[in-house]
Amino acid sequence: KNQVEQSPQSLIILEGKNCTLQCNYTVSPFSNLRWYKQDTGRGPVSLTIMTFSENTKSNGRYTATLDADTKQSSLHITASQLSDSASYICVVSAETGANNLFFGTGTRLTVIP
Amino acid sequence: DSGVTQTPKHLITATGQRVTLRCSPRSGDLSVYWYQQSLDQGLQFLIQYYNGEERAKGNILERFSAQQFPDLHSELNLSSLELGDSALYFCASSVNPYLYGYTFGSGTRLTVV
Repeated sequence: KNQVEQSPQSLIILEGKNCTLQCNYTVSPFSNLRWYKQDTGRGPVSLTIMTFSENTKSNGRYTATLDADTKQSSLHITASQLSDSASYICVVSAETGANNLFFGTGTRLTVIP
Repeated sequence: DSGVTQTPKHLITATGQRVTLRCSPRSGDLSVYWYQQSLDQGLQFLIQYYNGEERAKGNILERFSAQQFPDLHSELNLSSLELGDSALYFCASSVNPYLYGYTFGSGTRLTVV
């Protein structure tokens, strides 16, 4: 069964600190993995996309990693800011199937001053 | 502004009623996707349209239906509403979700009382 699991479910960190969010998936055949940021009450916005051959990709203070062998991805946020408070959603695409995007339930990050 | 427009932003209605949610995709995107997000839940895929035709169905209830018009805007119709239908409903559009991901609208918050 194609699934995407994220951990932790929620996280509270102090402003300026780093954090890492995890995503494990069983989607097959794997096409790509994307991290989205969803502010409260808003639609998700894409942060990064990782394909099978990519191990690391950065977008400003966000760095995503992918281990296709273990089917794990992480999103590392450095020097956190209050505006980083949001839900972070991992979405994995399969190569086949009519509905071949699988969403994790997200990690809710709260950055406190 | 993501380019995907959803109206209305908020909707409050009584049980048993019927509502219509509207989505205008980003210019040039032929695909429209509808998602439901209940409180503290992940995004649940409902249905996809491509250039006016239904392309894929997810866990969409029989009480729900959708369509995409020649000008590519889409409407999601929810009928015989129940309290459990209260949720955020997101529309997303894409020219190629595997390459470019989705562009989400800001959502419609539906409250059934």
